[in-house]
Amino acid sequence: DTGVSQNPRHKITKRGQNVTFRCDPISEHNRLYWYRQTLGQGPEFLTYFQNEAQLEKSRLLSDRFSAERPKGSFSTLEIQRTEQGDSAMYLCGQGATDTQYFGPGTRLTVL
Amino acid sequence: DQQVKQNSPSLSVQEGRISILNCDYTNSMFDYFLWYKKYPAEGPTFLISISSIKDKNEDGRFTVFLNKSAKHLSLHIVPSQPGDSAVYFCAASAILHDKIIFGKGTRLHILP
Repeated sequence: DTGVSQNPRHKITKRGQNVTFRCDPISEHNRLYWYRQTLGQGPEFLTYFQNEAQLEKSRLLSDRFSAERPKGSFSTLEIQRTEQGDSAMYLCGQGATDTQYFGPGTRLTVL
Repeated sequence: DQQVKQNSPSLSVQEGRISILNCDYTNSMFDYFLWYKKYPAEGPTFLISISSIKDKNEDGRFTVFLNKSAKHLSLHIVPSQPGDSAVYFCAASAILHDKIIFGKGTRLHILP
């Protein structure tokens, strides 16, 4: 158990709906990362926060995606107007360059 | 263009023998290399990492070897146990960018 929790663990939604995921990290780590993993691929970086500041966003993060980390604690990832291509495992991680620990992930299925 | 490559999609090893998982990379600016293990429906579990200034790091049954001139690293698991059956991801990171870049993974099967 890494101490990083993610909710919900599974989400099934219809195309066009909005979804929001939450990540609750270990409080003492100030860096928080979001990744996405699709079938047969390794996790792909989406974005990361240093405390409450969002420092980098991948080109994978279209304008339908938004992430926040208010007060530098928990983080949310919202996807608006979901598409079938958004179906994936969304992973939250904490740590540093040499060690990142991941939560259990949220599995999103868009019908 | 894939910066971290795991060319073997799967590997089968007899229980008790050594498992060797290989990884190649293209970016010489990486500062750290990491190995993760993943079971279905779970997040990746961190196993071991190595700094780019070292050539070997060992932790229990896991040893990672780095050959910078060949841009190649490998993870050795000895002895292999049934619980080692999982997908293993090789990953790399650079201090300047901080994000981790993953390979596509190798599925390891430990045979009884």
